[in-house]
Amino acid sequence: RKEVEQDPGPFNVPEGATVAFNCTYSNSASQSFFWYRQDCRKEPKLLMSVYSSGNEDGRFTAQLNRASQYISLLIRDSKLSDSATYLCVVNSGYSTLTFGKGTMLLVSP
Amino acid sequence: EPEVTQTPSHQVTQMGQEVILRCVPISNHLYFYWYRQILGQKVEFLVSFYNNEISEKSEIFDDQFSVERPDGSNFTLKIRSTKLEDSAMYFCASSASQGALDGYTFGSGTRLTVV
Repeated sequence: RKEVEQDPGPFNVPEGATVAFNCTYSNSASQSFFWYRQDCRKEPKLLMSVYSSGNEDGRFTAQLNRASQYISLLIRDSKLSDSATYLCVVNSGYSTLTFGKGTMLLVSP
Repeated sequence: EPEVTQTPSHQVTQMGQEVILRCVPISNHLYFYWYRQILGQKVEFLVSFYNNEISEKSEIFDDQFSVERPDGSNFTLKIRSTKLEDSAMYFCASSASQGALDGYTFGSGTRLTVV
């Protein structure tokens, strides 16, 4: 069974804090990796793709460790607007994505 | 920014009734998908569609489900005889590239409530 596992949280952090989320996946044949963000009762929105060499987009840094089948997301200088559920997503077939259940982040003033 | 449009935003139906959920994918996208999310659960794959046929489908997508692209713009999901457990948020998505290489754009979803 192809699974993506995440700590559900919630992670409660003050504004300005740095927070990291981790995720493990079971399908060693996966080639595409993503972090999505989902606000309450809304659709998932692509935050960033995750590349083998690691990649950064502003305050967000994603890392991939294929050997350990582990993906991470680091958020620096947290903003109130970062409060959301962060979904780790991995391709599990030719055209399909497998979602983790998500990690909830709550940023407080 | 181009978006995927879904209608209706909320549908309430009686158990056993048929429902059709509608989606308008991004106009130059060729690959279309349906996912669902039961309240409090993870997003689950239902079906992918390309070149007017199903590319992949999950175990959830049984005989009561069907998809159709009736014209050049709409992509529909039909549930023939709804069950209580079909209550969920249904998300349509589309992508320009082959396979799940670049992620996709999701619509805002249809909340289906079966009573």
